[in-house]
Amino acid sequence: EAGVVQSPRYKIIEKKQPVAFWCNPISGHNTLYWYRQNLGQGPELLIRYENEEAVDDSQLPKDRFSAERLKGVDSTLKIQPAELGDSAVYLCASSPSGRPTDTQYFGPGTRLTVL
Amino acid sequence: AQRVTQPEKLLSVFKGAPVELKCNYSYSGSPELFWYVQYSRQRLQLLLRHISRESIKGFTADLNKGETSFHLKKPFAQEEDSAMYYCALSGNNAGNMLTFGGGTRLMVKP
Repeated sequence: EAGVVQSPRYKIIEKKQPVAFWCNPISGHNTLYWYRQNLGQGPELLIRYENEEAVDDSQLPKDRFSAERLKGVDSTLKIQPAELGDSAVYLCASSPSGRPTDTQYFGPGTRLTVL
Repeated sequence: AQRVTQPEKLLSVFKGAPVELKCNYSYSGSPELFWYVQYSRQRLQLLLRHISRESIKGFTADLNKGETSFHLKKPFAQEEDSAMYYCALSGNNAGNMLTFGGGTRLMVKP
């Protein structure tokens, strides 16, 4: 089992450019999460999906961030346009369901640097 | 609002010494508490959760609702315990959202 897969692992772009991150969760996991982790801080939830439905996106900056999970499996997180403050590690995680007791399994993350 | 506080950014101990990583939380309902760990060059992974009441790699954590704490303890630290440790909280009141603390880096010196 490969676990949660994310790509790319690293991305360097100039400000105002668009960027997209891809995540493939563990097979059979209905719930998918995107987190942002700033340097020296813990992960912060951006959006949570139950199958293909976004059930918690209150922390997603909707003016520039968007996400989708069209077939309830893979997901894409997009930033357009990117700003300097978007430099961070973007983590994807999945769990069997959205229960509070569920373990979340994390991918390796995508480290974004905005110049 | 739910909040998790880890007051120590860095904790440095010698091998064989006891370790306690502090975690305090704020939550209006009944919380589910977790400790996640990230070893060097590895992904974030679950270490333990309070509902399991188990010891993992010699670590234990007890939920103290009176003090709203969930400190992580190990009686004898090993060099391989060196890592980043994150305390996290989840609960029904917040739509099952997982909230992380800022993390504590544990360094175990030989």
